Amino acid sequence: EADIYQTPRYLVIGTGKKITLECSQTMGHDKMYWYQQDPGMELHLIHYSYGVNSTEKGDLSSESTVSRIRTEHFPLTLESARPSHTSQYLCASSEFRNTEAFFGQGTRLTVV
Amino acid sequence: GENVEQHPSTLSVQEGDSAVIKCTYSDSASNYFPWYKQELGKRPQLIIDIRSNVGEKKDQRIAVTLNKTAKHFSLHITETQPEDSAVYFCAARGGGATNKLIFGTGTLLAVQP
Repeated sequence: EADIYQTPRYLVIGTGKKITLECSQTMGHDKMYWYQQDPGMELHLIHYSYGVNSTEKGDLSSESTVSRIRTEHFPLTLESARPSHTSQYLCASSEFRNTEAFFGQGTRLTVV
Repeated sequence: GENVEQHPSTLSVQEGDSAVIKCTYSDSASNYFPWYKQELGKRPQLIIDIRSNVGEKKDQRIAVTLNKTAKHFSLHITETQPEDSAVYFCAARGGGATNKLIFGTGTLLAVQP
C-alpha cells in the first residue's frame, strides 16, 4: 500500500548518543519534509528536500542533518542527542506543486 | 522567511454551532493553502485545500475562503460535532523553486456536546 513510513515510532535514548530517524515513502514523491512538533502543537519545518541530492534547512534551527540519496528515503540524523531534542518528529512528502502533503505516523523521541 | 499566523489558538464551541479559524501569510507568491486536522496521537491529515486562483471552496460542512489581496484565508466548519474536536493547522506553500510548506501555529478546537 502506498504510504509514508517512519521508524521507530518511539525512542528513548541517553544523552550523547547518535541516532537516525528513518522515513520512507512508496508514492514516488519528489518533495519530502521533516517537521518537529512539540507538545505545544506547532509544526516547525526543520529540513526540506525537493529531489535526490537536494536538501535545505527549514525555518527552525536544528542540530540534525538529513540526506536524500534515493527518492523514497529521507533519514534524519542527530550526531549527539541532548534532552532539548526531546520532541515528536514528523516526516511528510508531496508530489508536485500545489498537491497534498502526506504525513508519517511520527517518531516520538525522548532523550534522557 | 515565510510566516503563517493562525488565530485563535484555542476555540470552544457548542455542538451545532459554527467554528471559524483564520490565517494570514507573508509570502505574496504563495499559491496553495491546505488545512490539516490532527486528532490526538495521530498524524495530520488534509481536510480541504484551496489554490490561489479560487476564492472559496466547500466540502459538505467545511468551507475555506481566500483573500489574496489581504493575504488571509479562513476555515469555516458548520454544524459542529464532537468528532470535529482536534487540532487544526493551516499552511501555505511558498513561491519560488523550492515551494516549502509552512504551517500555522495550530488551533485546538473543542466541541462541547
